[in-house]
Amino acid sequence: NAGVTQTPKFQVLKTGQSMTLQCAQDMNHEYMSWYRQDPGMGLRLIHYSVGAGITDQGEVPNGYNVSRSTTEDFPLRLLSAAPSQTSVYFCASSAVSSGNTEAFFGQGTRLTVV
Amino acid sequence: KQEVTQIPAALSVPEGENLVLNCSFTDSAIYNLQWFRQDPGKGLTSLLLIQSSQREQTSGRLNASLDKSSGRSTLYIAASQPGDSATYLCAANNAGNMLTFGGGTRLMVKP
Repeated sequence: NAGVTQTPKFQVLKTGQSMTLQCAQDMNHEYMSWYRQDPGMGLRLIHYSVGAGITDQGEVPNGYNVSRSTTEDFPLRLLSAAPSQTSVYFCASSAVSSGNTEAFFGQGTRLTVV
Repeated sequence: KQEVTQIPAALSVPEGENLVLNCSFTDSAIYNLQWFRQDPGKGLTSLLLIQSSQREQTSGRLNASLDKSSGRSTLYIAASQPGDSATYLCAANNAGNMLTFGGGTRLMVKP
């Protein structure tokens, strides 16, 4: 099982550039989410989705955009990259309807904005 | 707002010791609590999930307990090995599968 797959693993952007971080899961999970991990701040929720066509904001949504057109994919878009968005980004998925809400994480995307 | 704290932030032990990692949370209305392991530069690996109705879960040398009334969870690692060296994270799930993470405990097991 592939589980949760994130691409790319590493990315360097210049300030003002845009990009999309990809996330795909093959477990048919309804719930998907994006977190960022920063030293001293822990993991913080950016955006989440409870199913195709439904998204909502987490704790730190500014500067990021998401959409959920399929159950499998949940891309995270940086509209105009800023140095403050330098971080490690993790995508996660979990089931909702089955009652077992164990969360599974991807391997992360390390993003540097210069 | 849920707040999750992990103590200690770092721990160094000799191989073979039994050890306990602590996790406390402020809002006891959780659906479940999950423990993760993170190796340097890697993603999060799920270790144990404890539902709110459960008191503990076991997997191999790992045992996690949950006391909702006191807002605490512990992860017990028996007979620690150098391969256990990693950062351990706990996360509380209050609503809608949204997780609130603690800051983690960085564990070093010395041979």
